[in-house]
Amino acid sequence: RKEVEQDPGPFNVPEGATVAFNCTYSNSASQSFFWYRQDCRKEPKLLMSVYSSGNEDGRFTAQLNRASQYISLLIRDSKLSDSATYLCVVKSLNDYKLSFGAGTTVTVRA
Amino acid sequence: GAGVSQSPSNKVTEKGKDVELRCDPISGHTALYWYRQSLGQGLEFLIYFQGNSAPDKSGLPSDRFSAERTGGSVSTLTIQRTQQEDSAVYLCASSPDGQGAGYTFGSGTRLTVV
Repeated sequence: RKEVEQDPGPFNVPEGATVAFNCTYSNSASQSFFWYRQDCRKEPKLLMSVYSSGNEDGRFTAQLNRASQYISLLIRDSKLSDSATYLCVVKSLNDYKLSFGAGTTVTVRA
Repeated sequence: GAGVSQSPSNKVTEKGKDVELRCDPISGHTALYWYRQSLGQGLEFLIYFQGNSAPDKSGLPSDRFSAERTGGSVSTLTIQRTQQEDSAVYLCASSPDGQGAGYTFGSGTRLTVV
């Protein structure tokens, strides 16, 4: 079983729509959680950290459910520029490396 | 430098040849990581450096892969006797101390073995 699993999508949504997707992680010792964004043929870049109480960054909302071991990302008022692959990332306490999901592809159409 | 620099950006090599990939991390970052990403796949961890030492080489897929880091800075990933399954994007990242989310990735080396 992969450590981090994501629905690959693609999620095709019109501009202005709301899109949400989850990822699940298998290691209950995971302590830190992140969403990274990766544009086509580019390197991953940190989008936001995910905190236990949930957190927002502009149009992006991240939630963490430790009991069920899943993380979610919601994008409101989608823009064309939100089209990308979103990588779910987890890190265990005292571990130095990040474990990446394979990504969820989002395409926002005009 | 301002970011993580990787070279070459693209490399096409013949099966059986050796290749060397270079990563120049952000100045002052003690932690350096190599990952690879195959088409449509997630990032696969290869190796981690803290300073010049590599406490975890467990991700290296075979003994054809090796890496070193000198002066706590530049790292090279060497693949000997390349195979077609080695074709992937090799990404290097650095972070200040190996903790937290402070990973900055380079733009990667796209390796194609023909």
